[in-house]
Amino acid sequence: SYVLTQPPSVSVAPGQTARITCGGHNIGINSVQWYQQHPGQAPLLVLYDNSDRPSGIPERFSGSNLDNTATLTISMVEVGDEAVYYCQVWHSNSDSRVFGGGTKLTVV
Amino acid sequence: VQLVESGGGLVKAGGSLRLSCAASAFTFKDYYMSWIRQVPGKGLEWIAYISGSGKTTDYADSVKGRFAVSRDNAKNSLSLHLNSLRDEDTAIYYCARSSWEAWYFDLWGRGTLVTVSS
Repeated sequence: SYVLTQPPSVSVAPGQTARITCGGHNIGINSVQWYQQHPGQAPLLVLYDNSDRPSGIPERFSGSNLDNTATLTISMVEVGDEAVYYCQVWHSNSDSRVFGGGTKLTVV
Repeated sequence: VQLVESGGGLVKAGGSLRLSCAASAFTFKDYYMSWIRQVPGKGLEWIAYISGSGKTTDYADSVKGRFAVSRDNAKNSLSLHLNSLRDEDTAIYYCARSSWEAWYFDLWGRGTLVTVSS
């Protein structure tokens, strides 16, 4: 089965830029989504199709996807961005919908 | 626009349970819908989807043959029947509105907790 690998944690100071990676074999040929989950809440879609933002998601959230790594970039990080972020792909070869293990973003 | 799950609870291993998801404020029949679960404190696992018409379904290998997803478009309702439950099925179960063929999930409910005891 297809595996997505995320770092367990990323730390960033308020106002700085956070980058969260998602590694997978040839992930660049897949469409990658990113979800934000605050403690005790349901996940929220923040990016789809690599870099598209749903309505209501700030422009501070952006994404890229190339070769074996997809990246979620959050600029001008705010305290409220502290959450766990999950990447997800629909791996067409195996027709599986796969999530990464999640990255806890800490704003310190 | 919201999804509200219900039906979770404590069940013995080998038992069955039916989860429901009530949708509101969007054209339910136009969307694929999915179930996704999360062991508390752990990651997310997609487990099933159903097409807008209900004619097409698919399941993760971990639940195939044990779980069944269905929908009632007249009632804006989604269901998940859980059978032959195992300890490892203990999780929060979320229903999620899905894109075509469920390649992403753009609206989630708050989830309902299923606890399987042996």
